[in-house]
Amino acid sequence: AIQMTQSPSSLSASVGDRVTITCRASQGIGNNLGWYQQKPGKAPLVLIYGATSLRSGVPSRFSGSGSGTDFTLTISSLQPEDFATYYCLHDYNYPLIFGGGTTVDLK
Amino acid sequence: QVRLQESGPGLVKPSQTLSLACTVSGGSIDSGDYYWTWIRQAPGGGLEWIGYIYYYSGSIDYNPSVESRVTISIDTSKNQFSLRLSSVTAADTALYYCARGRYEFEISGFYYDLWGQGTLVTVSS
Repeated sequence: AIQMTQSPSSLSASVGDRVTITCRASQGIGNNLGWYQQKPGKAPLVLIYGATSLRSGVPSRFSGSGSGTDFTLTISSLQPEDFATYYCLHDYNYPLIFGGGTTVDLK
Repeated sequence: QVRLQESGPGLVKPSQTLSLACTVSGGSIDSGDYYWTWIRQAPGGGLEWIGYIYYYSGSIDYNPSVESRVTISIDTSKNQFSLRLSSVTAADTALYYCARGRYEFEISGFYYDLWGQGTLVTVSS
């Protein structure tokens, strides 16, 4: 199975900060990657799919980049509602695998 | 508005079989091009994809981590899909989510657009 290595596992940031989270696949996965946000007690919510496509209704401060093995989720200006855990998910082949998660908390 | 709702026992004894159902409301499980999926999350842990069933083709795929113990099926008469996981151990204690996956051909992108609220299953004697 393809392994997804996500970093950092946690980060502390302030409102207004630019935040970058990375995900590395153990082999090339094209653009078959999505990013999900999960808040405590809630199901995950898709932000980005196809590596770069912003899900309808998701604020434009979220963006995704990358292809092949290296991917990035960027939050251009962190808002109070963005403090959460973020996961990448590859859908290149089965089994689908999530990254280990990145928790973004308040500095 | 389509919604997903998990149901099933919250406590299962070790070595027994975990059985969960995901009921689709507000829409039909056999319409649309969707991948009906189970995903779990151990307490304080990350997300683990368990497997999916694709109604139109009948395709099913499982995570090798549970493949020998898992069955996912669809019951269109009840508008639900189900998960059965046999020979459970404490390691199967988790919040179990059902989710709907979809593929956007224009963008060549796949994502889970709809999730249940999750149901906690504890494996303990």
